[in-house]
Amino acid sequence: DQQVKQNSPSLSVQEGRISILNCDYTNSMFDYFLWYKKYPAEGPTFLISISSIKDKNEDGRFTVFLNKSAKHLSLHIVPSQPGDSAVYFCAATGQGAQKLVFGQGTRLTINP
Amino acid sequence: GAGVSQSPSNKVTEKGKDVELRCDPISGHTALYWYRQSLGQGLEFLIYFQGNSAPDKSGLPSDRFSAERTGGSVSTLTIQRTQQEDSAVYLCASSLGGVGNTEAFFGQGTRLTVV
Repeated sequence: DQQVKQNSPSLSVQEGRISILNCDYTNSMFDYFLWYKKYPAEGPTFLISISSIKDKNEDGRFTVFLNKSAKHLSLHIVPSQPGDSAVYFCAATGQGAQKLVFGQGTRLTINP
Repeated sequence: GAGVSQSPSNKVTEKGKDVELRCDPISGHTALYWYRQSLGQGLEFLIYFQGNSAPDKSGLPSDRFSAERTGGSVSTLTIQRTQQEDSAVYLCASSLGGVGNTEAFFGQGTRLTVV
């Protein structure tokens, strides 16, 4: 039962353009969503989060959008930089879940 | 240290042997999680400790896996009679208290290889 899904295993974007990473969830009890970034041989690092009371949260080049009716969230990175190349994980938690449930990850490659 | 520390960073073991993986969470963090990432896969939840509550063990794949958290701080994940399919990176994370409104901080992981 995959409650958090990232349907694109990989994404390739040109440097300077916008990267859009997508995530879908099925559990309507989720009310807090996070994005993590992972480099090889390192643990995931927190990037940005959003509460279900909001539909957008922005932090520098990173913006997360939440569409509760569609149970969908996305991470926008603009402009994309080579250092953004990593695996991005979407995660969700909420009432009754408590534990952080992760998606399968999307490998983002930024091409110079 | 300021972050989550895991040891060892790498472990190679023979099939059938037992292994122990250690996690030192960030001081003051009451919540502790274990995940694993198999090659090409996402982050698979294993177990979650929150304060003095009974741990959520719903992600442990078999009874060969167990974990404990002593004194609300250090945690040990034990895998008995290891199998080749146990090979993965085992990640520990901690957070201030649940994940309701705070992010979890991850350690660098322990890469387990069962040969």
